[in-house]
Amino acid sequence: DVKVTQSSRYLVKRTGEKVFLECVQDMDHENMFWYRQDPGLGLRLIYFSYDVKMKEKGDIPEGYSVSREKKERFSLILESASTNQTSMYLCASSLDGANTGELFFGEGSRLTVL
Amino acid sequence: QKEVEQDPGPLSVPEGAIVSLNCTYSNSAFQYFMWYRQYSRKGPELLMYTYSSGNKEDGRFTAQVDKSSKYISLFIRDSQPSDSATYLCAMSLNRYSGNTPLVFGKGTRLSVIA
Repeated sequence: DVKVTQSSRYLVKRTGEKVFLECVQDMDHENMFWYRQDPGLGLRLIYFSYDVKMKEKGDIPEGYSVSREKKERFSLILESASTNQTSMYLCASSLDGANTGELFFGEGSRLTVL
Repeated sequence: QKEVEQDPGPLSVPEGAIVSLNCTYSNSAFQYFMWYRQYSRKGPELLMYTYSSGNKEDGRFTAQVDKSSKYISLFIRDSQPSDSATYLCAMSLNRYSGNTPLVFGKGTRLSVIA
């Protein structure tokens, strides 16, 4: 069964803290994505990666960085968390060459920054 | 103008009703169209996928694409309380999402009342 696992479902952090959100997929997918989801704003793409050590900026990369050292793992880093980064963060992966380009999502990490 | 417009709702219908969910888009280059369903506190999951104008049926669900009007719809027949979720439309320029990420609508929240 296809699986994208996000390490933390709920996190509470303080302003200025460094935050790591981890995502692991067990499907040998080339492509991985980080989104944030906010009421009224929908899903917004932060960063994506189509190969190990490759990264591309999405629509809202400011305040975030990513790391992809291994194919199965894609990490989102908030260098200095701010209250406006309180959100639901969703990781996704997809297989290159798949007929549908379907995204497989994790269950999300709800981050609260105080 | 946003690339993809979707009424956020919420939409509340009685059990057994026919539900119509819609998205409009501005980029005529979009070729592939998807509907994702997201239950509360879960990640989105692919519900239906189509790449041509016309209708595609899958059980109680019908996806409709009108490329000339840049308009897509998802119909749910005999709606059930288990259909209560947020429905997101998504579009892509090409089949593979590797370096051309999907563009999502903001999602429509649907409640089916028993």
